[in-house]
This record gives sequence, structure tokens and C-alpha cells, in this order.
Amino acid sequence: DAGVIQSPRHEVTEMGQEVTLRCKPISGHDYLFWYRQTMMRGLELLIYFNNNVPIDDSGMPEDRFSAKMPNASFSTLKIQPSEPRDSAVYFCASTEDFTDTQYFGPGTRLTVL
Amino acid sequence: RKEVEQDPGPFNVPEGATVAFNCTYSNSASQSFFWYRQDCRKEPKLLMSVYSSGNEDGRFTAQLNRASQYISLLIRDSKLSDSATYLCVAPSGTYKYIFGTGTRLKVLA
Repeated sequence: DAGVIQSPRHEVTEMGQEVTLRCKPISGHDYLFWYRQTMMRGLELLIYFNNNVPIDDSGMPEDRFSAKMPNASFSTLKIQPSEPRDSAVYFCASTEDFTDTQYFGPGTRLTVL
Repeated sequence: RKEVEQDPGPFNVPEGATVAFNCTYSNSASQSFFWYRQDCRKEPKLLMSVYSSGNEDGRFTAQLNRASQYISLLIRDSKLSDSATYLCVAPSGTYKYIFGTGTRLKVLA
């Protein structure tokens, strides 16, 4: 099993640019989560999907952030326009059942200059 | 009060020592809890689930105290390889889990 796949692994961009992060969950997993991790705030849940449908997006910081899951094997998290305070590690995770283990991808380390 | 709170540490302990971390949660209706381990610059990985009756896996023991609303993780005979950040996870509402900010452990030779 390939595990959760995220791309890119590192992204450096300038303030105001659009950033798109990608995630491929483990096959058969019905839940997909997007998290952001910073030293100050720890691991924060941004949004999660069940069967490709967004269930809870209350953690999305503001309208600059958007997430989609067009099919069971692909999700994107987009930031437009990006700001320096968006610099963080963004993790995607998936799970078969909500109460089960969440399997995390390796993360995307985003730096906005 | 935060929904999930952990002492950030670091806990510096010698090899072979026993160390315990607590994690408090605010949702009294919470049923299932987890401990995850995160190595530096890596993703979190499940260490163990926390059951009402407690859970033991080798040198690791997790317990739940509902009355005081905390979960604990005990590590016996600490190894250098146990050095990591330990994240507790508790439910928030019906369909949401909250991660604590983590407790950092350093096991010293």
C-alpha cells in the first residue's frame, strides 16, 4: 500500500501567489482530512470530507482557503492569495472509518515570502 | 479552556526511566481517544488507541480517567528511539477529532 501521497513536498512562493496542494488518500478510505501544523498552534483541522463531500470546514481560516475533492482518489487545498502567515506544514490524512486510525501523508512544507 | 491540553515539555529522561504524560480534554461525552507519535519533521503516526479499560502495548500503557477527564501515556524502560513528540487526540462533538499540541520527550543516553 502506497500510503497517503502529497505533493509537492516543499513549496516556496511569494506573497500574493496562488498555491495548490494535492493529496491522494489511501484507496478505500472514505474520509479525508486537511490539517495545518505550526509551532504556535500545533496541528489544526482545516476541513474534512466523507465520500468526497465536505462535512466540516469550520477550521478553514478565511475565504482565501478552499478545498475540493472531485473524486475518491484526489483532493486539493488551494490558497489564493497566499500570505506569509500561511507558512506551515500542511498534512493530508485519510481513514476508512471515522473512529479509526488516521493515516497521514508526509506533508507539504509551505513557505510564503 | 482548550478542548485538548498537553504539557509541551520537553521531558528529558535518562534511558531506562519511566515517564508519563497526561492530556486533559473538555468534552465529557468523548468516547474514543488516541495517542499519536510524531518524529521531527515527519508526519504523525498512531501509537495506540485509548480504551475505557486501558490499553497496554509492550512498554506503553494508555489509560483513561473519565472522572477527571484526562488520558495518560506511560512509557517504561525508555529507549533513545522513544524521543519524539506525543500527540493526544480527543473527540470534539460528534464528527471531529482535535489534536493536542504535543508533549516533547527526549531520552538521554
